[in-house]
Amino acid sequence: AQTVTQSQPEMSVQEAETVTLSCTYDTSESDYYLFWYKQPPSRQMILVIRQEAYKQQNATENRFSVNFQKAAKSFSLKISDSQLGDAAMYFCACDNAGNMLTFGGGTRLMVKP
Amino acid sequence: DTGVSQNPRHKITKRGQNVTFRCDPISEHNRLYWYRQTLGQGPEFLTYFQNEAQLEKSRLLSDRFSAERPKGSFSTLEIQRTEQGDSAMYLCASSPVGGQLLTEAFFGQGTRLTVV
Repeated sequence: AQTVTQSQPEMSVQEAETVTLSCTYDTSESDYYLFWYKQPPSRQMILVIRQEAYKQQNATENRFSVNFQKAAKSFSLKISDSQLGDAAMYFCACDNAGNMLTFGGGTRLMVKP
Repeated sequence: DTGVSQNPRHKITKRGQNVTFRCDPISEHNRLYWYRQTLGQGPEFLTYFQNEAQLEKSRLLSDRFSAERPKGSFSTLEIQRTEQGDSAMYLCASSPVGGQLLTEAFFGQGTRLTVV
């Protein structure tokens, strides 16, 4: 079984500032994938960024980047130059079987103008 | 094709009634997933199909739940004799993966079920 833990139920950031969302996971597999998904209010979940566990280089997608610490089983998301549209629930997820995603409990991000 | 489509978007039902939800995946996506999300929580895996075959079911999927994907296209999720604890958002996702590698899963907007 795998578990994903997000210890920050809510986070707040000033517009244009940087914020980091935390995630830890546990899996017995050596080959797995990690994801951050964004769920805006009343809208569908969309993929923000993905990291393959066998890759040492941290993934980056425009203003979004991750800090992947494999030994510590940590996978944090950094959002730079925060925008009002970044306000949403953010879910960390792990997949190690290619069959299903295990999600954390989510972090609600608020962006202050 | 603009994405994963789920119908209805909202469903209110009385306890004990049966309900059925539909999911239309992105064309040619051979994997289809169902998740359940309760308020303030992350989604929990229920089941998934590869083409028409249901390959895995979570322990969350009690005997009152049944899912089908005839002909490997759309899928239905039926809940019989609904209980108040079934109230949740039911999410469908699809992906083009065919082997062990999980590529991006695209989610629908979900069906919100309220059992009164």
